[in-house]
Amino acid sequence: EDKVVQSPLSLVVHEGDTVTLNCSYEVTNFRSLLWYKQEKKAPTFLFMLTSSGIEKKSGRLSSILDKKELFSILNITATQTGDSAVYLCAVEATGNQFYFGTGTSLTVIP
Amino acid sequence: EPEVTQTPSHQVTQMGQEVILRCVPISNHLYFYWYRQILGQKVEFLVSFYNNEISEKSEIFDDQFSVERPDGSNFTLKIRSTKLEDSAMYFCASMRDRSSGANVLTFGAGSRLTVL
Repeated sequence: EDKVVQSPLSLVVHEGDTVTLNCSYEVTNFRSLLWYKQEKKAPTFLFMLTSSGIEKKSGRLSSILDKKELFSILNITATQTGDSAVYLCAVEATGNQFYFGTGTSLTVIP
Repeated sequence: EPEVTQTPSHQVTQMGQEVILRCVPISNHLYFYWYRQILGQKVEFLVSFYNNEISEKSEIFDDQFSVERPDGSNFTLKIRSTKLEDSAMYFCASMRDRSSGANVLTFGAGSRLTVL
């Protein structure tokens, strides 16, 4: 059965800390891996990764994919309270389906 | 910026009643999805829709569920006879196409369904 596992399930840090969120997957016919941020309602898109070893960056957030070891990490540096959210990892497989992990709940304390 | 619009934002219904959740995907998108998220649990795939037909569905999407794209813009999810365990946030998502760079799901704000 295809699956996506995220760790840790939750994390509490202080402003300014750096965090690393993990996503491992076992999905047949992998096409891409996506990271989303879910604050109150709809997940909003952060990154899409298709190739191993190429870092995607957006401000303080960055992400990289390892297709050999079947995982991705999402890094957030100099965290702010506005980074508090659930971060979702989703893997797209051929056959038109996306598989989501349970998410990592990040709380940033002032 | 184009967005996926869902209505209603919240619906409360009695067990056994029919519910229709509506979605207007982004206009140039070709692939449409319904997901649900039970409170505190992960986002679960229900069904995908392409070229006016279901392309994939999960085990959750049983005979009580159906989807339609009646008029080329709306994309609806119908639950025929709701059960308590159908209480969840239902997300509609759309995707432009499956080419590299365009295969990003854009989600609507969700419709919260509460079944009493």
